[in-house]
Amino acid sequence: AQSVTQLGSHVSVSEGALVLLRCNYSSSVPPYLFWYVQYPNQGLQLLLKYTSAATLVKGINGFEAEFKKSETSFHLTKPSAHMSDAAEYFCAVSGNFNFGNEKLTFGTGTRLTIIP
Amino acid sequence: EAQVTQNPRYLITVTGKKLTVTCSQNMNHEYMSWYRQDPGLGLRQIYYSMNVEVTDKGDVPEGYKVSRKEKRNFPLILESPSPNQTSLYFCASSPRGGNYGYTFGSGTRLTVV
Repeated sequence: AQSVTQLGSHVSVSEGALVLLRCNYSSSVPPYLFWYVQYPNQGLQLLLKYTSAATLVKGINGFEAEFKKSETSFHLTKPSAHMSDAAEYFCAVSGNFNFGNEKLTFGTGTRLTIIP
Repeated sequence: EAQVTQNPRYLITVTGKKLTVTCSQNMNHEYMSWYRQDPGLGLRQIYYSMNVEVTDKGDVPEGYKVSRKEKRNFPLILESPSPNQTSLYFCASSPRGGNYGYTFGSGTRLTVV
């Protein structure tokens, strides 16, 4: 089975400060990992994904994430927070061990608040 | 524009009154799925479909039905809604499963009273 743990249901950072959202995964096969962002009253939008190529993945809006197998982590970072980054962020894992249903398993989400 | 369209966006209904939430995608994706989102629980998969006429249960299928008669459509049916099905529902599609990542609809907020 696969699972994702997001540490911290709420994170607050000052505008211009580093954003760090933590995600640890568990998977019995090499994982595919994703970060999604959900703005208020909207669906989920893909930020970035790791599919076993480069361990440092760059996404949209200046976000990036690094896959660390030894730590089973895929933390999301952004060097300088902007007010528009305020949203809920979900980490998700998929595995290719069940052909036909490589379902995404989501974490419980981290709500990011930006302090002016 | 490539998208997943869900309707309605908001729905209030009474216990036991059958309802259908529609989902349609215009990307010719084979894989479609329904999730529900609840505070503190993240997103949980209800049902999925690998292709036309092929559907299977996800993690929380009780009280729901789906059908996939056409590739683009994947409606979610609640035949006898109950208050514990009050939730935010998302339809998602993918070219061929989760490894490609999903494209999500805008969500349907359902309240059952």
